[in-house]
Amino acid sequence: DTGVSQDPRHKITKRGQNVTFRCDPISEHNRLYWYRQTLGQGPEFLTYFQNEAQLEKSRLLSDRFSAERPKGSFSTLEIQRTEQGDSAMYLCASSSNSFGNTIYFGEGSWLTVV
Amino acid sequence: AQSVTQLDSQVPVFEEAPVELRCNYSSSVSVYLFWYVQYPNQGLQLLLKYLSGSTLVKGINGFEAEFNKSQTSFHLRKPSVHISDTAEYFCAVGPSGGYNKLIFGAGTRLAVHP
Repeated sequence: DTGVSQDPRHKITKRGQNVTFRCDPISEHNRLYWYRQTLGQGPEFLTYFQNEAQLEKSRLLSDRFSAERPKGSFSTLEIQRTEQGDSAMYLCASSSNSFGNTIYFGEGSWLTVV
Repeated sequence: AQSVTQLDSQVPVFEEAPVELRCNYSSSVSVYLFWYVQYPNQGLQLLLKYLSGSTLVKGINGFEAEFNKSQTSFHLRKPSVHISDTAEYFCAVGPSGGYNKLIFGAGTRLAVHP
């Protein structure tokens, strides 16, 4: 169990550029989640995958955001035409199907849009 | 729908003193309850969780929490804090059925002073 890993940990980008974050969940975890956290706030749910199927998307996930999980393993979160309001930490998490399936979080990817 | 209210945004306390971080939730369905800790520039680490059974739940680092259904509360306690407990603490709620779409509170900043 190597934990949930995220890459890159930090990204500074100019407004209007596209950025992509990668998440590698704990192996054998078939559930994967993306959350967004802004300064002084708790994490907010963005989207959920069961294996490769994206089963729920928050209304926070505008058309500029897209998430994928090909083959049900790693996941990517892409933000197109970034805006300053996108500056936040993007957290990936994973869990199994077992009872009381605890969600394990990665260390997050910080995005700063300048 | 669920919601979480953490009643204190900041809690200052002296080292070796007891502490309680308060959390209230609302939900129309049965829920699981969680406390996570976040150290600076890191992801979230699970402290403890309530799924069912005993209402007193013990977690890591000497923390415990008590589920009170009638008061819809899940307060976190520690009898004697250390400097290293300084961090942000998040209470979260998720539906007991289906996947864990966690709803987080805004967090409580615990500051332990020597």
